[in-house]
Amino acid sequence: NAGVTQTPKFRVLKTGQSMTLLCAQDMNHEYMYWYRQDPGMGLRLIHYSVGEGTTAKGEVPDGYNVSRLKKQNFLLGLESAAPSQTSVYFCASSYGTGGTDTQYFGPGTRLTVL
Amino acid sequence: AQSVTQLGSHVSVSEGALVLLRCNYSSSVPPYLFWYVQYPNQGLQLLLKYTTGATLVKGINGFEAEFKKSETSFHLTKPSAHMSDAAEYFCAVSAYGGEYGNKLVFGAGTILRVKS
Repeated sequence: NAGVTQTPKFRVLKTGQSMTLLCAQDMNHEYMYWYRQDPGMGLRLIHYSVGEGTTAKGEVPDGYNVSRLKKQNFLLGLESAAPSQTSVYFCASSYGTGGTDTQYFGPGTRLTVL
Repeated sequence: AQSVTQLGSHVSVSEGALVLLRCNYSSSVPPYLFWYVQYPNQGLQLLLKYTTGATLVKGINGFEAEFKKSETSFHLTKPSAHMSDAAEYFCAVSAYGGEYGNKLVFGAGTILRVKS
């Protein structure tokens, strides 16, 4: 099993450009999450999904959109990138609905917006 | 609402010394608590978690943590540090059933440096 994979690993954008980050998991997990990691702030939840075809906003959703057309994939889109979106983005997935479930993280995407 | 405070953004220990990383939480419901480790340029990996039952939880790589409800703490320890333990460590509490599904609320992280 590959677990959780993310594409791309690195990206540099100019302000105003758009891009999509892809997350894939092969563990048949229902829940998927997108976090951003900024120095001294831990990880903050951007959007999440509780199943195929569903998405919901997290703590910091502004400037991002997501889609979950297939159970194994969760896409994060930036329509018009801003320097404030320079960050490391992590995707995670978990099996079920309980708060005890372990979240499995991908390796991250390092995004720089100039 | 849940929150996590990690005391000390950087901790430095000598190889072979005790590792103690501090975590205090706030939760309006019985907490589920996690420690994750992040090695350089990698994703987060679960070290251990507390759900219910025994308050002393053992994890991977010789780490353990004790849930102390009276102190609202979940400190991470390892008796003897190894160079390979150098990483960033995150404490997290599960905000289950809340506004954001079962999201994790993370602390700011503690970078552990191990000196030879």
